[in-house]
Amino acid sequence: DADVTQTPRNRITKTGKRIMLECSQTKGHDRMYWYRQDPGLGLRLIYYSFDVKDINKGEISDGYSVSRQAQAKFSLSLESAIPNQTALYFCATSDSWGVYGYTFGSGTRLTVV
Amino acid sequence: EDKVVQSPLSLVVHEGDTVTLNCSYEVTNFRSLLWYKQEKKAPTFLFMLTSSGIEKKSGRLSSILDKKELFSILNITATQTGDSAVYLCAVVIQGAQKLVFGQGTRLTINP
Repeated sequence: DADVTQTPRNRITKTGKRIMLECSQTKGHDRMYWYRQDPGLGLRLIYYSFDVKDINKGEISDGYSVSRQAQAKFSLSLESAIPNQTALYFCATSDSWGVYGYTFGSGTRLTVV
Repeated sequence: EDKVVQSPLSLVVHEGDTVTLNCSYEVTNFRSLLWYKQEKKAPTFLFMLTSSGIEKKSGRLSSILDKKELFSILNITATQTGDSAVYLCAVVIQGAQKLVFGQGTRLTINP
């Protein structure tokens, strides 16, 4: 089983719909992150969480919300999806010091039509 | 604003060539620099660099960091078609412990 699991792998949704992307990890890491990737823009940070009670906005949090349900679970919601949220979304985890880098999930490809 | 810039954005070479990928950064509080390889979906970890001038090496790949000039390079010698991927550079921000990514370099190795 993968260390960081994202569901769904692919999703097509309509404009205005609410959608949730889920992430779970078996690494035992405290820190979890959500990134989106767009062609030519690299990965940009949406939200990050250092533990269950600590949620922080990243550089592009508008239009998104998150929930850290447990140490191992971190979900990303789009309250009312819009076409420019079409992207590849990654969940990642790290230990408290980030010493060994970040472990990424395999991504969710979201298309908003 | 923290910024990481990679160059070139795209590179096409022939198998056997040597390539150098560049990453420069301007960040408020540098902790370390990471290189990732992204082939299909998830980025996979290559190197973490924290100290200047110390080369990290793994097979045909190597990387070095210059904290005075604020850049890093990733070298790949004797390239193979399996090296074709997007290479991502990211900087870990001290305190926030978050990654700031560059745009990536798309490397294509032709047989």
